[in-house]
Amino acid sequence: QQQVKQSPQSLIVQKGGISIINCAYENTAFDYFPWYQQFPGKGPALLIAIRPDVSEKKEGRFTISFNKSAKQFSLHIMDSQPGDSATYFCAASMDSGYSTLTFGKGTMLLVSP
Amino acid sequence: GAVVSQHPSWVICKSGTSVKIECRSLDFQATTMFWYRQFPKQSLMLMATSNEGSKATYEQGVEKDKFLINHASLTLSTLTVTSAHPEDSSFYICSARDPTSGKPDTQYFGPGTRLTVL
Repeated sequence: QQQVKQSPQSLIVQKGGISIINCAYENTAFDYFPWYQQFPGKGPALLIAIRPDVSEKKEGRFTISFNKSAKQFSLHIMDSQPGDSATYFCAASMDSGYSTLTFGKGTMLLVSP
Repeated sequence: GAVVSQHPSWVICKSGTSVKIECRSLDFQATTMFWYRQFPKQSLMLMATSNEGSKATYEQGVEKDKFLINHASLTLSTLTVTSAHPEDSSFYICSARDPTSGKPDTQYFGPGTRLTVL
């Protein structure tokens, strides 16, 4: 049973546009929601993470929006650049992040020049 | 800080042989490390949680006798794929938490090891 559903599976955005990736979770015990970026042949790297006590967190061009009642969270990449082309994974964890991570299936983002 | 390395970065072996993959935390001590498996264009699947000085905790469906995990020190965990077969070919990634960092809940991932079994 997939506990974190991620969409879309792939996304093409023009340079300078906004990339939006959505995730929904089922387990209300989740209390830590990170986003990871992965380039081909490399390990994932943490982009940004959020906890349920805030509805939005911004770091540079990356913003997480969190809707606790809807059990949804999303990643917004502002001013998308070709270098942002990668696979993005949302994840969720319990115990303030100290339990194991459950990953979404990933979104392949392509930013066209 | 919080750098995790893996060795080797890629390995090719014959069917039936065993392969050992190392995961090291370079600048911190990790009491817990995690091993993931990733097939092409798929998500990361947790295989096991490795705890220093104790037995690893395997996820459901992962064969303990096939994927041997040893966490002998606070900076090193190893994954040994025993009697490897072509279906074991995959991208294996480890991660670790840095309990002394400002983000103790963050998992830092290694660069991965590409295993190809012929």
